[in-house]
Amino acid sequence: DQQVKQNSPSLSVQEGRISILNCDYTNSMFDYFLWYKKYPAEGPTFLISISSIKDKNEDGRFTVFLNKSAKHLSLHIVPSQPGDSAVYFCAAAGLSNFGNEKLTFGTGTRLTIIP
Amino acid sequence: DAGVTQSPTHLIKTRGQHVTLRCSPISGHKSVSWYQQVLGQGPQFIFQYYEKEERGRGNFPDRFSARQFPNYSSELNVNALLLGDSALYLCASSLRAAYGYTFGSGTRLTVV
Repeated sequence: DQQVKQNSPSLSVQEGRISILNCDYTNSMFDYFLWYKKYPAEGPTFLISISSIKDKNEDGRFTVFLNKSAKHLSLHIVPSQPGDSAVYFCAAAGLSNFGNEKLTFGTGTRLTIIP
Repeated sequence: DAGVTQSPTHLIKTRGQHVTLRCSPISGHKSVSWYQQVLGQGPQFIFQYYEKEERGRGNFPDRFSARQFPNYSSELNVNALLLGDSALYLCASSLRAAYGYTFGSGTRLTVV
């Protein structure tokens, strides 16, 4: 049962344009949503997160939007740069009584920025 | 500043053997989590430890076990290795998810 889904395995975007990566989830108990970027032979690197009480969070070139009613979030990268080429994972976390914020990951989207 | 460090970086084991993977969290982080990432998939949650207690366990068989030491470092043990255990094993430390887990570079385990 895939609770976090990234339906686009790959995306190619021209340098300087906007990259939009999408993510859907099914579990209403998720409280936080995070985006990670991963280069080959490295661990995932945290990019940006958003709480379920917000609908937008911005950090420099990265903006995450959350639509709770649609159980959908997206990551916008503007402007896209060649160094943004990587695999992007969407992840969701829900709080338990013990404060166990385990992350449930999507399958990733490979973003390629074309110079 | 040292990030999350994992050892070894690569490992080749034979089916049926046992393996121990090690992780040192960022200084001050008391929570350590382990994830398994197989090719083409996102990381899958295995365990979380907080203050040396197991706080969560993913859908993995009992062959997988872990522990956290007083200095908050952690070990992941896998017994009776199967070919399907071949994966990248990631360790992450955090204060809490709101701040974003910090991952190590992982241990690439190959079972032959």
